[in-house]
Order: sequence, then structure tokens, then C-alpha cells
Amino acid sequence: LAKTTQPPSMEAYEGQEVNVSCSHTNIATSEYIYWYRQVPHQGPQFIIQGYKDYVVNEVASLFISADRKLSTLSLPWVSLRDAAVYYCIVTPDTNAYKVIFGKGTHLHVLP
Amino acid sequence: EAAVTQSPRNKVTVTGGNVTLSCRQTNSHNYMYWYRQDTGHGLRLIHYSYGAGNLQIGDVPDGYKATRTTQEDFFLLLELASPSQTSLYFCASSDSGNNNQAPLFGEGTRLSVL
Repeated sequence: LAKTTQPPSMEAYEGQEVNVSCSHTNIATSEYIYWYRQVPHQGPQFIIQGYKDYVVNEVASLFISADRKLSTLSLPWVSLRDAAVYYCIVTPDTNAYKVIFGKGTHLHVLP
Repeated sequence: EAAVTQSPRNKVTVTGGNVTLSCRQTNSHNYMYWYRQDTGHGLRLIHYSYGAGNLQIGDVPDGYKATRTTQEDFFLLLELASPSQTSLYFCASSDSGNNNQAPLFGEGTRLSVL
């Protein structure tokens, strides 16, 4: 299983763009990259997923390096509501679909 | 709308008590998961299942049993609850099909063992 490494915390002001990085140096060719966020007292919420290159949706964008060992979640124009823990996870082979979370990145948003 | 529903949302029991946490998903997903979340540890996988009658062991299974009675229902059982099992429990479901859909999570069950 590919292990992920994220910075434990980040800080940004409202209105700024925030980029959260995730290293997954042992990612396998069959594995996908997912990003979630979690606010206190709620379950993790899916944000975006990708396999390679660049993915964008209405909430965020995801850039994946050419060797797929690094991904970066980009949140445009963060607000106080974006303060949360952001998790990067890598799915294992579909024959052993065991989803493992790391410790995530705690994003603090300042007014 | 895709949903994962957990019950109860809050539970208090005593040491040695018997507790069952319930999870139901209406997403037609084949995989279901139970996690616990504690400060300093993040989300840790207890058990998971890829279909009715199937059970797979996660990373922190000690003290827990689980049963998948139908595709929709996954139960977590604590037969002799201990204070170390005081935690926030999350259930999730996912589909292992070609779309690699991301797991969907429930709202959580807060369990206190006194």
C-alpha cells in the first residue's frame, strides 16, 4: 500500500489560494488519489480524485506530477468554512480495497 | 441521493457492556467500512466487508466484531466494552467498480464507555 505524507498544518488568510501537497512515493500503477476534508463532528467529505495530470471540479483542482509521486490540492479563495483537516489517500488494488487514512493537513483560515 | 446512515448518533455504556453500532447505506455499494477516530491517531480502520456475509480485518480489530447481514447493513459489535473504546466511530461505503468511486462516510457515532 502506498503511504502518503502531508504537512501537519497550514495557515492562510481568507481570499487566498491554498495549495496542500501530498507525497506518495510508492504509488502503484493501479492506484488512484483521493482528497477528503473533515470538519469537527462530521464525517470526511470527498473533494476530488485523480489518476494523473490535472483534474478540476467546482470545489477544487488537483495537480498530479508526471511520475505520480506528488499531488497538490488547490483551493481557490478560501473562506473560514474551509478550515478543516484535509486528507490525501491512495487506493490500493481493487482486489484488496482497503482504504487507509493518514493524519492529514490541518488548514487554519484567518479572517 | 447517496447516503450512509449511522445509528445511534450517541451512545453511553459502562465497562463490560454490550454495544451494537449500526450502519446502513442506500448506494448499492459492495464495500463497507468501520473506522474509529481518536485525537492524535486520525481515522483507523477496524473492519471492512466486500459483501453480505463477508468480513475483512482492518488495522485495529481487537475488541471488535462486525457482521454484514445484507448489502445495505453493516454492524459493529463491542461485546465487552472497555474505556479504551471510547471514540468517534465512522461507517463508510464504496464501490469497487471501474469508476473507482470514493468512499462515502456517515455522520459518525460518538461512543463513551464509562
